[in-house]
Amino acid sequence: EIVLTQSPGTLSLSPGERATLSCRASQSLDSLSLAWYQQKPGQAPRVLIYGACSRATGIPDRFSGSGSGTDFTLTISRLEPEDSAVYYCQQYDSSPRTFGQGTKVEIK
Amino acid sequence: QLQLQESGPGLVKPSETLSLTCTVSRGFISSYSWSWIRQPPGKGLEWIGDIYDTGSTNYNPSLKSRVTISVDTSKNQFSLNLASVSAADTAVYYCARDIIGHYYSWGQGILATVSS
Repeated sequence: EIVLTQSPGTLSLSPGERATLSCRASQSLDSLSLAWYQQKPGQAPRVLIYGACSRATGIPDRFSGSGSGTDFTLTISRLEPEDSAVYYCQQYDSSPRTFGQGTKVEIK
Repeated sequence: QLQLQESGPGLVKPSETLSLTCTVSRGFISSYSWSWIRQPPGKGLEWIGDIYDTGSTNYNPSLKSRVTISVDTSKNQFSLNLASVSAADTAVYYCARDIIGHYYSWGQGILATVSS
């Protein structure tokens, strides 16, 4: 099973600042097989990025994904108040599909 | 736009079987694969398993001995049975459409509580 480790656990930033979230895999992934999700309280997760760097339909361009191998990054270039949420990475390189433990982004 | 809706009992007794159904609307269940994912209160996401429209299934090894996922294309539904539940199975259960391994469309989730 591929373990995904996300860091930091919590990120507290001001509107307009840049957020950098990390996801590290326990073994190398095919670069097309990592997704990022945003989850707000009481809601289902929403896919932001798939294939490590492709934005899902309707996702603002301030969200971007990068990385390959074992190290992946989600960047939110200019934080908006509505970006307050928990963000999860997920790998689909192999079964079982696994998720990271999440990074909570707080907006000051 | 595709919609998914989970249904089933919100309360299940320990050792019994949790049975949930996901109804797909505004789209067809055929030609796609479908997953169940759960989230214990205050915790992260866990993939339970998936089913293809052919009926082929994949399960998380941690749950494999207790899980059955099935599909009814005539009703545009797929289902989850989780046997021998305990308090550790208390979670919000989501159904989702699998697009080459990631999840684009999700149901709103249903809280299933295991308690006597």
